[in-house]
Amino acid sequence: GAGVSQTPSNKVTEKGKYVELRCDPISGHTALYWYRQSLGQGPEFLIYFQGTGAADDSGLPNDRFFAVRPEGSVSTLKIQRTERGDSAVYLCASSPGTSAYNEQFFGPGTRLTVL
Amino acid sequence: GESVGLHLPTLSVQEGDNSIINCAYSNSASDYFIWYKQESGKGPQFIIDIRSNMDKRQGQRVTVLLNKTVKHLSLQIAATQPGDSAVYFCAENLRGYQKVTFGTGTKLQVIP
Repeated sequence: GAGVSQTPSNKVTEKGKYVELRCDPISGHTALYWYRQSLGQGPEFLIYFQGTGAADDSGLPNDRFFAVRPEGSVSTLKIQRTERGDSAVYLCASSPGTSAYNEQFFGPGTRLTVL
Repeated sequence: GESVGLHLPTLSVQEGDNSIINCAYSNSASDYFIWYKQESGKGPQFIIDIRSNMDKRQGQRVTVLLNKTVKHLSLQIAATQPGDSAVYFCAENLRGYQKVTFGTGTKLQVIP
């Protein structure tokens, strides 16, 4: 079946602009996660959704970052007033249930470059 | 393309040999540990997991060992193959939380 998909695969923007990154989880997966991965580093947790609600947004670095999942499926990560330090690969993952022991399935990521 | 393994510790092994990748985790309250494999340009892929009430778990060609006393985790890959070349991350979960904290990763290079 289809895995987690993310669009766009690459996004180049200018400092100060607004960007939206989209994640389509595996059908039926109730949990959705966003991570950010900088070059040479492990993924860094940003936010976790269970259904439509953000159950843990403790990883969002500041109020320029926001994510939604209005129908409990597709999610959008929104970044306002982008800064060069926001350049990274943004990864999305989904898992089938509420347990922390469920395997997370990752998408290929969106590479964001802020000039 | 850009390598996810840039600046990471690197382990080079001969094809057919066994590989051991080590990880020190940070939080004694973590109760669930996962190993992920990440190939260049792709997202992390689950390999094997272990809960804190176990000290060893085996999968197909992979074994994870957990030593809670020294907060150490290792991944053993038997008969390493060229397709095993990737960056490997250990990750941990705190009990009751969904948030996964990743380590810094180790790049595995398999020499044919």
